[in-house]
Amino acid sequence: DAGVTQSPTHLIKTRGQQVTLRCSPKSGHDTVSWYQQALGQGPQFIFQYYEEEERQRGNFPDRFSGHQFPNYSSELNVNALLLGDSALYLCASSPDRQETQYFGPGTRLLVL
Amino acid sequence: GNSVTQMEGPVTLSEEAFLTINCTYTATGYPSLFWYVQYPGEGLQLLLKATKADDKGSNKGFEATYRKETTSFHLEKGSVQVSDSAVYFCALSDQYSNDYKLSFGAGTTVTVRA
Repeated sequence: DAGVTQSPTHLIKTRGQQVTLRCSPKSGHDTVSWYQQALGQGPQFIFQYYEEEERQRGNFPDRFSGHQFPNYSSELNVNALLLGDSALYLCASSPDRQETQYFGPGTRLLVL
Repeated sequence: GNSVTQMEGPVTLSEEAFLTINCTYTATGYPSLFWYVQYPGEGLQLLLKATKADDKGSNKGFEATYRKETTSFHLEKGSVQVSDSAVYFCALSDQYSNDYKLSFGAGTTVTVRA
């Protein structure tokens, strides 16, 4: 049973560019959440998707947007990249209404 | 809002020592509490959880008890190994209050020396 998968594993971008990160949830999970983890800090919630809709959003600007597809996979898009967007981006999945979330290995984004 | 305060590290121990990492929380509803572990270069793995007061979560020799009266969920292990070296995160979620996210503490880095 495959766990949560994310792609790419690493990414280097320059300021002002746009980036798309991808996530496939664990089999049987229909809810996907995204987190940003800056170096040396705990993960910060970006948003959660359920039934292809954004169900909850954290304190992140509109430059951060997402999408969920009918097969429950998800994308995180970040526009107009800033140096401060450099971080590990984690995707987590869960069955609906279950609080335990299972994390992927993350995508490490470096903005130069 | 919901939040978690976690003991700051880093913590350095010798093998077979006793480990405690303190975690306290603030929540408006009835949260579930979690400990996640992050090994170097990896994502987060669920270590254990507890969903109501007085529940004890346990896994791989680690234990934590949900204490509502002290709003705490301290992590303990009686005899650590070098392989326990990692960053440990305390977290909460409160879906009964329509708060679906995990709120994390800042993490505690644990290094176990042989």
